[in-house]
Amino acid sequence: QSALTQPPSASGSPGQSVTISCTGTSSDVGGYNYVSWYQQHPGKAPRLLLYEVTKRPSGVPDRFSGSKSGNTASLTVSGLQAEDEADYYCNSYAGNNNQVFGTGTKVTVL
Amino acid sequence: QVQLQESGPGLVKPSETLSLTCTVSGGSVSSDSFYWSWIRQPPGKGLEYIGYIYYTGSTHYSPSLESRVTISVDTSKDQVSLKLNSVTAADTAVYFCARGGWELGDAFDLWGQGTMVTVSS
Repeated sequence: QSALTQPPSASGSPGQSVTISCTGTSSDVGGYNYVSWYQQHPGKAPRLLLYEVTKRPSGVPDRFSGSKSGNTASLTVSGLQAEDEADYYCNSYAGNNNQVFGTGTKVTVL
Repeated sequence: QVQLQESGPGLVKPSETLSLTCTVSGGSVSSDSFYWSWIRQPPGKGLEYIGYIYYTGSTHYSPSLESRVTISVDTSKDQVSLKLNSVTAADTAVYFCARGGWELGDAFDLWGQGTMVTVSS
């Protein structure tokens, strides 16, 4: 099972938006609406931001939104804030109870 | 609130078995809604799914690790354990325990702080 492909880095100025892509195959991202996104600050555990492509858990700001088209899912962070500087990982169900994570994207707030 | 805490040796010798425990506090592993997973992260690298266990003992392992991995559950202690045998330097990583939920589309909504394991002689 190959890792999902994410761009290594993305950046934006405070207040701007940044979008991170997560590309898989028809066996994972494209086959199921079970894509989730995680934020990880250095030395910390990941935090769930989105599940089932677009759903936000309680406590996650609506600045974080998700979408999917074909084999590619996307996370958009609107109104960038300094605390959004972190690593972001996507994850997808890949059939047969298996799961696969993305390669990770480092977001820098300029 | 529910919290997860990983524990175990921080140093394991090559070819030996890595053993970790995840203790669930403020809640129970015996939940119909959740399962308990292990996920690891080598230094400076991305996350890797290892496997999960349901409180009934039903398990699933990543195909890339299933020949070396065993995950078990002790419902009386609210603990989940991970064993990874025949370790090499490539198994050096931070190991996370995480709660997964089918009602969350198999997302992981709760994580332990992680524990660093180094494989070295």
